[in-house]
Amino acid sequence: SAVISQKPSRDICQRGTSLTIQCQVDSQVTMMFWYRQQPGQSLTLIATANQGSEATYESGFVIDKFPISRPNLTFSTLTVSNMSPEDSSIYLCSAGDTGGSYEQYFGPGTRLTVT
Amino acid sequence: EDKVVQSPLSLVVHEGDTVTLNCSYEVTNFRSLLWYKQEKKAPTFLFMLTSSGIEKKSGRLSSILDKKELFSILNITATQTGDSAVYLCAVRDTDKLIFGTGTRLQVFP
Repeated sequence: SAVISQKPSRDICQRGTSLTIQCQVDSQVTMMFWYRQQPGQSLTLIATANQGSEATYESGFVIDKFPISRPNLTFSTLTVSNMSPEDSSIYLCSAGDTGGSYEQYFGPGTRLTVT
Repeated sequence: EDKVVQSPLSLVVHEGDTVTLNCSYEVTNFRSLLWYKQEKKAPTFLFMLTSSGIEKKSGRLSSILDKKELFSILNITATQTGDSAVYLCAVRDTDKLIFGTGTRLQVFP
């Protein structure tokens, strides 16, 4: 199983600013994903981070608001831009390998509060 | 529209009880069904199911998938207070996981 770390673990930010969250996997993986979990809600996929190309965003999420980088097979970043209180959530990085069916593991999450 | 529905939404039991959590789904390109336990932030992987009728077991937890009726169950026997958590069911549609809303389990001594 992959071990995933995220930085920072939590942050309190002012509205209008941006925060970049880092995700590091202990082994090379094909797939990396970013999820958001708003208070009391389940997980929602923001985007799939593609190595060497632009991320694939889900409906309701756009690159200008959530730019993503994936420079190699073990690392990705998610930036939450021009934050508002509605962006207060837990942001989770996830990773796995392709092949039809594969186990998918999650990082410890970043708890973001926007004031 | 693809969806994953879990029931019950919430469950309160006493230590030693056995619980069954349900997950039904409607997904266009089903690849697998995964169960996670979420206590604080990160969901912890429990099981991945791909074939009907084959039970996966880990200690007091077990799970089975019915691809004809489009559902899965997660059983926990002899519950302990440490089992208190939100249990999430997710279905993989090609490469994406679609999550249910979760079942919140509270186990009291």
